[in-house]
Amino acid sequence: GAVVSQHPSRVICKSGTSVKIECRSLDFQATTMFWYRQFPKQSLMLMATSNEGSKATYEQGVEKDKFLINHASLTLSTLTVTSAHPEDSSFYICSASGVGPYEQYFGPGTRLTVT
Amino acid sequence: AQSVTQLDSHVSVSEGTPVLLRCNYSSSYSPSLFWYVQHPNKGLQLLLKYTSAATLVKGINGFEAEFKKSETSFHLTKPSAHMSDAAEYFCVVRGGGSQGNLIFGKGTKLSVKP
Repeated sequence: GAVVSQHPSRVICKSGTSVKIECRSLDFQATTMFWYRQFPKQSLMLMATSNEGSKATYEQGVEKDKFLINHASLTLSTLTVTSAHPEDSSFYICSASGVGPYEQYFGPGTRLTVT
Repeated sequence: AQSVTQLDSHVSVSEGTPVLLRCNYSSSYSPSLFWYVQHPNKGLQLLLKYTSAATLVKGINGFEAEFKKSETSFHLTKPSAHMSDAAEYFCVVRGGGSQGNLIFGKGTKLSVKP
């Protein structure tokens, strides 16, 4: 099946710094990538949807200037958490799909801890 | 708008006994429904999906789910639980629009006792 990787798997950063998380589709071209956030013992909440070469579409309540998403190629999307604060600590998961609303393939997630 | 409700936050069964994880959906049109499993520190894995074909859907690892329009339900079942089935299970519906975003239920934690 299709494989999606995320890097890093976990990261600890200091408050006020920025952190970049990468999401890669390893064996298929992902025209659409999705970024989710999962709080402890809670469900996944969609943050934004990005299409290759265009601006991401953010869900209501998600600050686009804080969570910068770049989908520069068909195999790579990045999420940058800018000026991170402890409340940004969470599990961030990406998924990718091919042309059209096909099945999404999920990455293993990145655990971010802001101290 | 589409939504799913998982009726149990935690289900505990004994190994070898049946598993039932309940999910109800709300959709203004014929929905696409999924069940995903999340093991600790691992990525989400698709168990099965319903996309308006057969109402009884068979998935991986012996799981299956039945789409019941009259009850707006899509419950996940397995005849005999294994210890390795212990995980978090999410019922998911595809949202509207062309992007195909997924809307997740709150999840059901399945515990399997020896």
